[in-house]
Amino acid sequence: GQQLNQSPQSMFIQEGEDVSMNCTSSSIFNTWLWYKQDPGEGPVLLIALYKAGELTSNGRLTAQFGITRKDSFLNISASIPSDVGIYFCAGQKDFGNEKLTFGTGTRLTIIP
Amino acid sequence: GAVVSQHPSWVICKSGTSVKIECRSLDFQATTMFWYRQFPKQSLMLMATSNEGSKATYEQGVEKDKFLINHASLTLSTLTVTSAHPEDSSFYICSARLAGSNTGELFFGEGSRLTVL
Repeated sequence: GQQLNQSPQSMFIQEGEDVSMNCTSSSIFNTWLWYKQDPGEGPVLLIALYKAGELTSNGRLTAQFGITRKDSFLNISASIPSDVGIYFCAGQKDFGNEKLTFGTGTRLTIIP
Repeated sequence: GAVVSQHPSWVICKSGTSVKIECRSLDFQATTMFWYRQFPKQSLMLMATSNEGSKATYEQGVEKDKFLINHASLTLSTLTVTSAHPEDSSFYICSARLAGSNTGELFFGEGSRLTVL
């Protein structure tokens, strides 16, 4: 099935640094979601975006719904050790079709 | 927040046996639940959509006779991997949407790791 392309695939940063990752698609999605997955666990919802151009924050996390509705960005400011994990974007075509298409994932590692 | 629980969290079985995984919404009702499969270092791939009181809808390439889904109540969906083989070893994750919600937010279970020997 279709997947959304996330970049970068992996990141190695030092604690305190800011992080940026993005997600792109060749087709339009009307809802964008960002999830974090820790090893051996299910994804946990971080931020949900419903309108093109929308910018939403959740603590140190900020995500934006691209104007073209074909991309989304997630930024993490002042990273801390518990930010380590895999971040997935997910897109939903419309409210009548609840299926989520997931991105390829960005693995975040914090170097001591 | 909405909690989705899966059981078992891990299971090891012999090739040829069947394994049932449960997905429960603990504090909300879910008319629709989704089953995903995730192989190591890969993303989540949707297997099927489970609808309460009706047949599940399977994604292309997923064998409905191999992966039996039952959604008997508004809080429980089960996935049975029949005649499991080593290639079925994977992390199976369910998700649920709050009944009556018009948002796209899905809540995920903790996942169930299946290892077929």
